[in-house]
Amino acid sequence: AQRVTQPEKLLSVFKGAPVELKCNYSYSGSPELFWYVQYSRQRLQLLLRHISRESIKGFTADLNKGETSFHLKKPFAQEEDSAMYYCALSEGGNKLVFGAGTILRVKS
Amino acid sequence: GAGVSQSPRYKVAKRGQDVALRCDPISGHVSLFWYQQALGQGPEFLTYFQNEAQLDKSGLPSDRFFAERPEGSVSTLKIQRTQQEDSAVYLCASSLSYAVSRGGQPQHFGDGTRLSIL
Repeated sequence: AQRVTQPEKLLSVFKGAPVELKCNYSYSGSPELFWYVQYSRQRLQLLLRHISRESIKGFTADLNKGETSFHLKKPFAQEEDSAMYYCALSEGGNKLVFGAGTILRVKS
Repeated sequence: GAGVSQSPRYKVAKRGQDVALRCDPISGHVSLFWYQQALGQGPEFLTYFQNEAQLDKSGLPSDRFFAERPEGSVSTLKIQRTQQEDSAVYLCASSLSYAVSRGGQPQHFGDGTRLSIL
């Protein structure tokens, strides 16, 4: 069965420091990976997806099939990046499989 | 325009009672999904509709859970004889396209219904 692992429940960094939120997955086929974000008192929303290969709000994520990882990175964290981040996998159909999430806290 | 709307936002029920949770997807969205999110966990898939057809209900945890979307728009998730382990946030999401992957349109989530079973 497919699984998404986010090893850190909480990541705390200072403003301006680099950020890397880790995501590892297990899936035998060709998955599609996503990062979703939930800001305080807001609903869950899509941040980026690997097929788009784009940078959103300064965040990027590269799919590494050899390491089965899809880590989310940003070179310089901002206070407004503080949120809950979920890595998710689509098995080629419709449903999403989510990790447990990582709280990112950016301190000033 | 309005996003995905869920009601009620909060629901408290006694163990053994039946509950019904409503989801109004974005107008015109073909696909509708229900997820269950336990405290401290990510959302877990429950079921999926394409228009009025329930194409995947593999995530429903027991036969006490039932979902419907009779006219292909509003959906209701019903839980019969609720148990304490049913306490969770129930999220609804909708999508314009038939498939979330391979370039399909993303899922748009509602605020969820927080269900507490006493």
